[in-house]
Amino acid sequence: DVKVTQSSRYLVKRTGEKVFLECVQDMDHENMFWYRQDPGLGLRLIYFSYDVKMKEKGDIPEGYSVSREKKERFSLILESASTNQTSMYLCASSYPLAGATDTQYFGPGTRLTVL
Amino acid sequence: SQQGEEDPQALSIQEGENATMNCSYKTSINNLQWYRQNSGRGLVHLILIRSNEREKHSGRLRVTLDTSKKSSSLLITASRAADTASYFCATGTQKLVFGTGTRLLVSP
Repeated sequence: DVKVTQSSRYLVKRTGEKVFLECVQDMDHENMFWYRQDPGLGLRLIYFSYDVKMKEKGDIPEGYSVSREKKERFSLILESASTNQTSMYLCASSYPLAGATDTQYFGPGTRLTVL
Repeated sequence: SQQGEEDPQALSIQEGENATMNCSYKTSINNLQWYRQNSGRGLVHLILIRSNEREKHSGRLRVTLDTSKKSSSLLITASRAADTASYFCATGTQKLVFGTGTRLLVSP
């Protein structure tokens, strides 16, 4: 089974802190994604990566950056955390099937609170 | 850019009853997927239906797709308390766009 792990289930940070959220997948997937999930807004894509050292902005990249130095690891960075970044953060990975739809495999999520 | 909208937003039923959730989307699709999310957890893929399919079954799940109406439905038959979760439809290929979800509560 595909396993996607996230470094923390719960995280509490102060405004202005630099925050790292780590995601690791064990199935050699090319694609990795970071979403945030807020009540009433569903899942919104922050950043995604199709390959090592490659990244593309999603729908809401402002205030975030990412790093993918190794294929299995995709990090989300909040350069200076703000209270409006309090949210559930979900990482996912998928294996690209040319011309087809990829099934995404999700980690358990990190609930981040910024005080 | 939300593609899918689920309806209803919340659904409460008794064990043994059937649960039907609907998803509408805006643009043409190749496939549509349904995912489940247990409270406070990540999403789990349930089923994928291709644009040339009208109906697909997997265990107690039945998914229909009407591309002319740009809509899909997920039916869970003989619901169990363990089916309590949020259900999302998703469209797209490599980059998926998720709807806002239906919260299903199945009471014993």
